[in-house]
Amino acid sequence: GAGVSQSPSNKVTEKGKDVELRCDPISGHTALYWYRQSLGQGLEFLIYFQGNSAPDKSGLPSDRFSAERTGGSVSTLTIQRTQQEDSAVYLCASSFGTSGQGGETQYFGPGTRLLVL
Amino acid sequence: AQSVTQPDIHITVSEGASLELRCNYSYGATPYLFWYVQSPGQGLQLLLKYFSGDTLVQGIKGFEAEFKRSQSSFNLRKPSVHWSDAAEYFCAALSNFGNEKLTFGTGTRLTIIP
Repeated sequence: GAGVSQSPSNKVTEKGKDVELRCDPISGHTALYWYRQSLGQGLEFLIYFQGNSAPDKSGLPSDRFSAERTGGSVSTLTIQRTQQEDSAVYLCASSFGTSGQGGETQYFGPGTRLLVL
Repeated sequence: AQSVTQPDIHITVSEGASLELRCNYSYGATPYLFWYVQSPGQGLQLLLKYFSGDTLVQGIKGFEAEFKRSQSSFNLRKPSVHWSDAAEYFCAALSNFGNEKLTFGTGTRLTIIP
């Protein structure tokens, strides 16, 4: 079956512009996660969704970052007024459930490489 | 604080040689443990995972890992590496209640020489 897909694969934007990153999870997966991978910070958790709600937004670095998930499927991560330090690879993952439900394994998409000039 | 440590930033091994990548975790209770591999420009691919039970787990591509509670370790091994194993390897942990975020180590970059 299809894995996690993300679009675009690459995005170049100018400082101050808004960007939207999209994630399509594996069909049937109820949990969805966003991570950021950057040279200086490694792999960092940003936010996770269980269905359409986000119980944990603790990793979002600032209020310029937001995410939503609709219909229990597709998620969009939005970065407003991008800064150069936002340049990173944004990875999305999904899992069948959560750690309390026996669906602990997270499967990752290929990522979106964001470059802010 | 919960953390995962990969002490080796970069390892070079000869093709056909054995491999061991180290991983240590610091959690209040034993977490779920994972190894992922990332090839250049690619996402993370799951190699194997440990939840409970047998402490030696087998994964894809001939990899295995051994969980040692006394050492808080989950080291990845392969008896004979292939050139295609060159990649970055990440150990990760997940708390087994409530907190759903994966905590990753900093990664070990593996180089294979002929």
